Amino acid sequence: DVKVTQSSRYLVKRTGEKVFLECVQDMDHENMFWYRQDPGLGLRLIYFSYDVKMKEKGDIPEGYSVSREKKERFSLILESASTNQTSMYLCASSSQLTGWELGTQYFGPGTRLLVL
Amino acid sequence: AQKVTQAQTEISVVEKEDVTLDCVYETRDTTYYLFWYKQPPSGELVFLIRRNSFDEQNEISGRYSWNFQKSTSSFNFTITASQVVDSAVYFCALSELGGATNKLIFGTGTLLAVQP
Repeated sequence: DVKVTQSSRYLVKRTGEKVFLECVQDMDHENMFWYRQDPGLGLRLIYFSYDVKMKEKGDIPEGYSVSREKKERFSLILESASTNQTSMYLCASSSQLTGWELGTQYFGPGTRLLVL
Repeated sequence: AQKVTQAQTEISVVEKEDVTLDCVYETRDTTYYLFWYKQPPSGELVFLIRRNSFDEQNEISGRYSWNFQKSTSSFNFTITASQVVDSAVYFCALSELGGATNKLIFGTGTLLAVQP
């Protein structure tokens, strides 16, 4: 079974703090993704990575950065947290191999971040 | 532009009723994948099904069935004899098959509440 884990289920931070959200997958997937989920807006892609040290901006990258130093780990960084970054953050991974799994993303349990 | 529309924001049914969740998509690609994910209250998105654009056969898995119609750009999901455990947010998604990363475009989700 694909396993995607995220470092925290719940996190409370103060405005201006630097926040690290960690995601680890154990399926040797090449692709990893960070989304945020807000009521009425669905899932919006923040950043994704298709290889170690490679990253690309998604639809809403402002205020975020990412790091992928190892294939299994993808970190989302809020350099200076703000209240409008209070949200649910979801990490996902997928394989680049063709075949029946192509395109399927597997998700972690999510991190609910509250910025005060 | 690619887009996924889930017009039903919330649906409430009584246990054992059948319920259909609608999904309409827009794409100019001839090859694409469509997905359904379930998000129970715990927060993790659970992969339910992937459908290739070339395969319009309906699929049934237990109480779940999916109806894919290219002519109307729809990929609807029916739960037969609903149960309380089906209560969740359901997301429909469309895969962008560009490069290796195959990003997903999500609808805004439908909250299904199954009352006992």
